[in-house]
Amino acid sequence: GAVVSQHPSRVICKSGTSVKIECRSLDFQATTMFWYRQFPKQSLMLMATSNEGSKATYEQGVEKDKFLINHASLTLSTLTVTSAHPEDSSFYICSAREYRQGIYGYTFGSGTRLTVV
Amino acid sequence: GNSVTQMEGPVTLSEEAFLTINCTYTATGYPSLFWYVQYPGEGLQLLLKATKADDKGSNKGFEATYRKETTSFHLEKGSVQVSDSAVYFCALHNQNTGNQFYFGTGTSLTVIP
Repeated sequence: GAVVSQHPSRVICKSGTSVKIECRSLDFQATTMFWYRQFPKQSLMLMATSNEGSKATYEQGVEKDKFLINHASLTLSTLTVTSAHPEDSSFYICSAREYRQGIYGYTFGSGTRLTVV
Repeated sequence: GNSVTQMEGPVTLSEEAFLTINCTYTATGYPSLFWYVQYPGEGLQLLLKATKADDKGSNKGFEATYRKETTSFHLEKGSVQVSDSAVYFCALHNQNTGNQFYFGTGTSLTVIP
């Protein structure tokens, strides 16, 4: 089946530094990538949606200059958390969408646990 | 709007016990409903889904029925195994209101031998 590889699975960084999270669709073309995050004891919440080759669309309350999303190819999307702060510590997960045989399929990555110290 | 309310955990059961994880939703129109499972160190995997009222999704001994009258999609399994230990997420997807999934908070299940 469809697989999305997400790296790193865990990262600890210092305040003020930037962290890049990658999601690769291994055996299909992801025309759209969704990025979610989950704070402790809360739901997974959509942060942004990106289509290959175009700018990402951010949900209300998500800072686009802080969470940079690049979807330069049909198999790779990246999320960069810039100038990270402790409040950015969260679980981030991507979801790739492909259109196949008339329907949309969604595949999730394994998630990244970010801790900012 | 769309939202999902899921039973809080963690849940600890003995092997072969009966499992129920409650999930209710609010939505406009006719959403599809899902249960995703996340095993330790892995991504979200689709466990089962139902796309319309009264549909029953089933997989690996798990079942959930789309109940429109009670806006529920409770997950059940008659006899859990240690290998079922994971985090379970209830979710809805409503193509009428966008492409995103709306998730519950997740329920951690631990099955002890």
